[in-house]
Amino acid sequence: KAGVTQTPRYLIKTRGQQVTLSCSPISGHRSVSWYQQTPGQGLQFLFEYFSETQRNKGNFPGRFSGRQFSNSRSEMNVSTLELGDSALYLCASSLVGGGDEQYFGPGTRLTVT
Amino acid sequence: GENVEQHPSTLSVQEGDSAVIKCTYSDSASNYFPWYKQELGKRPQLIIDIRSNVGEKKDQRIAVTLNKTAKHFSLHITETQPEDSAVYFCAARANAGGTSYGKLTFGQGTILTVHP
Repeated sequence: KAGVTQTPRYLIKTRGQQVTLSCSPISGHRSVSWYQQTPGQGLQFLFEYFSETQRNKGNFPGRFSGRQFSNSRSEMNVSTLELGDSALYLCASSLVGGGDEQYFGPGTRLTVT
Repeated sequence: GENVEQHPSTLSVQEGDSAVIKCTYSDSASNYFPWYKQELGKRPQLIIDIRSNVGEKKDQRIAVTLNKTAKHFSLHITETQPEDSAVYFCAARANAGGTSYGKLTFGQGTILTVHP
């Protein structure tokens, strides 16, 4: 099976802009979770989607949002970008997200200038 | 919410030695504990995991132990090799349902360096 894929792999944006990142889970996986990875804060949970519904959300401002499509692909959006949003954004897929393993994609490296 | 502490932050060993990384968690409802290996510029890779109904799990040179009473779990790597050099993350997740779906809480990571 193909692994988790994310696009784009790299992005450079300016403060105030918005950005949309995409994640395609492993075939058959229905849960997608998003994480932000920074040197200072480590890996932090953003949100999780299952069957097109957000089931869980981390402690991030409302500028961070996401959605999931009927084919389980997921997107996350960050509006009004700030310098502190520069990070590696990782998505992880799992079968149903309840008690099973999560497999990560390669990430999208976002740089905000 | 859940908090996971990981130690040490850096670990340097000679090839062939053993390496041990320890994590403690705060939420007694946590019941799933995966370990990830992340090489420079690559994605975190799941290397082993353990559930709360098991005390130890082994996979070749890697083992994980769990002490539910003390709320800590450890990763043990034996006969280390230079290719084991990477950042290792522990994580914890509470029971499915409620606010736990999909949410892994990670430790801060351990940079493991194996010298040839």
